[in-house]
Amino acid sequence: EDQVTQSPEALRLQEGESSSLNCSYTVSGLRGLFWYRQDPGKGPEFLFTLYSAGEEKEKERLKATLTKKESFLHITAPKPEDSATYLCAVQFTGNQFYFGTGTSLTVIP
Amino acid sequence: DAEITQSPRHKITETGRQVTLACHQTWNHNNMFWYRQDLGHGLRLIHYSYGVQDTNKGEVSDGYSVSRSNTEDLPLTLESAASSQTSVYFCASSEGGSYAEAFFGQGTRLTVV
Repeated sequence: EDQVTQSPEALRLQEGESSSLNCSYTVSGLRGLFWYRQDPGKGPEFLFTLYSAGEEKEKERLKATLTKKESFLHITAPKPEDSATYLCAVQFTGNQFYFGTGTSLTVIP
Repeated sequence: DAEITQSPRHKITETGRQVTLACHQTWNHNNMFWYRQDLGHGLRLIHYSYGVQDTNKGEVSDGYSVSRSNTEDLPLTLESAASSQTSVYFCASSEGGSYAEAFFGQGTRLTVV
């Protein structure tokens, strides 16, 4: 059974059209939830870490939030350079990271 | 600047051959990980290490091995390459203890023919 599920698989937005990406998890005893950005042909790049329900983190047009069973990555007024695949990972035992399959975001000028 | 590097970036090998992918980090991190990334599966954990002489199996470890003789390096060996091991491989590292984010290398694209 998948421990981390991301939705939607793909998202196309017009420039300036705000939206949210979802990451839900089934593990208990969450130690941390991590958001990464991945550009084609490159390794994932760290964005945020969230540790407890109610926590929020912001970086430019991105805002990550965490509840007891899911996290949202809100993208406000996106630009074409925000186009990438966004990955969610959880850490619940040990120091390993378990990843979802990602959301491919395309922002159209 | 500290970094994590993988080599080679691209490799083509034949079925049955032994292949080793290199991963070197200068962060002085205790934790190191190997993942493979395939369409529809995302990043899946192959092996990981929490320090020198420590290695552990991940969720897709069959056909792979690692060794950790120093802090900086965690080479991944495919004992007898199979076509099912064609993938993009990523190495990552993180600080010892929990809650620390992982930093990734640029990946190695491996094709087994």
